[in-house]
Amino acid sequence: QKEVEQNSGPLSVPEGAIASLNCTYSDRGSQSFFWYRQYSGKSPELIMFIYSNGDKEDGRFTAQLNKASQYVSLLIRDSQPSDSATYLCAAAYQAGTALIFGKGTTLSVSS
Amino acid sequence: GAVVSQHPSRVICKSGTSVKIECRSLDFQATTMFWYRQFPKQSLMLMATSNEGSKATYEQGVEKDKFLINHASLTLSTLTVTSAHPEDSSFYICSARVTIDSNQPQHFGDGTRLSIL
Repeated sequence: QKEVEQNSGPLSVPEGAIASLNCTYSDRGSQSFFWYRQYSGKSPELIMFIYSNGDKEDGRFTAQLNKASQYVSLLIRDSQPSDSATYLCAAAYQAGTALIFGKGTTLSVSS
Repeated sequence: GAVVSQHPSRVICKSGTSVKIECRSLDFQATTMFWYRQFPKQSLMLMATSNEGSKATYEQGVEKDKFLINHASLTLSTLTVTSAHPEDSSFYICSARVTIDSNQPQHFGDGTRLSIL
């Protein structure tokens, strides 16, 4: 069964620190990986996605993918209180099928 | 681009009522849309995959006669919760991809909060 695992947290970091969110996946057939942010009571919003090994940077966010270790991470630099949310990791396996979501990690950034 | 609109945003109704939720892709055509349900403080649960012009594919444990899905056009999918009961109260969210390419993200609607009294 295809699974995406995340530590539920909460992960607490002080304002200005780097938040590191991690995700592992079970099926090596996965092709692409996505990070979504979900605020309480809202629907998920896409932060970024990655499908090649290595790092991908977008502003304060960096996604890292290691297919050999089946590991994906999201780094948030200069964390802000507004980054406090649940972060969902998702994996894509087949064209036309839904992403497989992890249960999410709750991040709390204190000012 | 890639905007998904969902309506209504909130519904409060009596037990036994049927409720229809619409999901529209505003600036792209979506041959496939996805319906999720999320209970408070829990993860997203995929309910079904909606395919334009054909029957929806339901996940295990989701009653297809209870949750009717219609995907009549490339920009509209509807979810009807039939004879809703308090246990159906939840946050329902639809999503769609611009293409079927699995390397492309799913874009989510704003969700519908359903409360059954």
